[in-house]
Amino acid sequence: SQTIHQWPATLVQPVGSPLSLECTVEGTSNPNLYWYRQAAGRGLQLLFYSVGIGQISSEVPQNLSASRPQDRQFILSSKKLLLSDSGFYLCAWSVGQSRPYEQYFGPGTRLTVT
Amino acid sequence: KQEVTQIPAALSVPEGENLVLNCSFTDSAIYNLQWFRQDPGKGLTSLLLIQSSQREQTSGRLNASLDKSSGRSTLYIAASQPGDSATYLCAVLIIQGAQKLVFGQGTRLTINP
Repeated sequence: SQTIHQWPATLVQPVGSPLSLECTVEGTSNPNLYWYRQAAGRGLQLLFYSVGIGQISSEVPQNLSASRPQDRQFILSSKKLLLSDSGFYLCAWSVGQSRPYEQYFGPGTRLTVT
Repeated sequence: KQEVTQIPAALSVPEGENLVLNCSFTDSAIYNLQWFRQDPGKGLTSLLLIQSSQREQTSGRLNASLDKSSGRSTLYIAASQPGDSATYLCAVLIIQGAQKLVFGQGTRLTINP
């Protein structure tokens, strides 16, 4: 069966520090991968998606970047964190380019920028 | 631009009641609609997925309906239990270069024993 992991589970970082969040998927090949953010008082927002190694698309301009160095690994990064980067970051995956296009979510990383 | 709205934002009911959560979306060009459950500080658990060609899906005490033409979905929870307390999120899937979920703000449900 498929499993998705995210780490760390929680993170407290000062403004201006770098960030690296990792997501890995087990039990499937060539998944589509997604990073979403859930900020306080706002809904879940898609940040990045990837359909293959090295293929990253950004949904919104921001202080963050994403990379996919391996088929089942997706990394969210920042060189210098802002207070507005605080939130709950969720990684998700889906398989293939055919219906039903269901997405499965990881346990999330709670990021607090101080 | 697709927008998803969930009403009410919060709901508190006594245990045992049947209840309905509402979700509306502005553009009927969707591929599916998913209902998720989110417990405090946790990730999302998929409850039901309704494909665009379907009208409803059922799982246990949960039933979700979809009326694509009117841009509405409902999640019906029968015989509610305290363990059903959570935030329920509705999301529609659109395809714009990639498969993208557009989420509502959620309904925070509290079931009182």
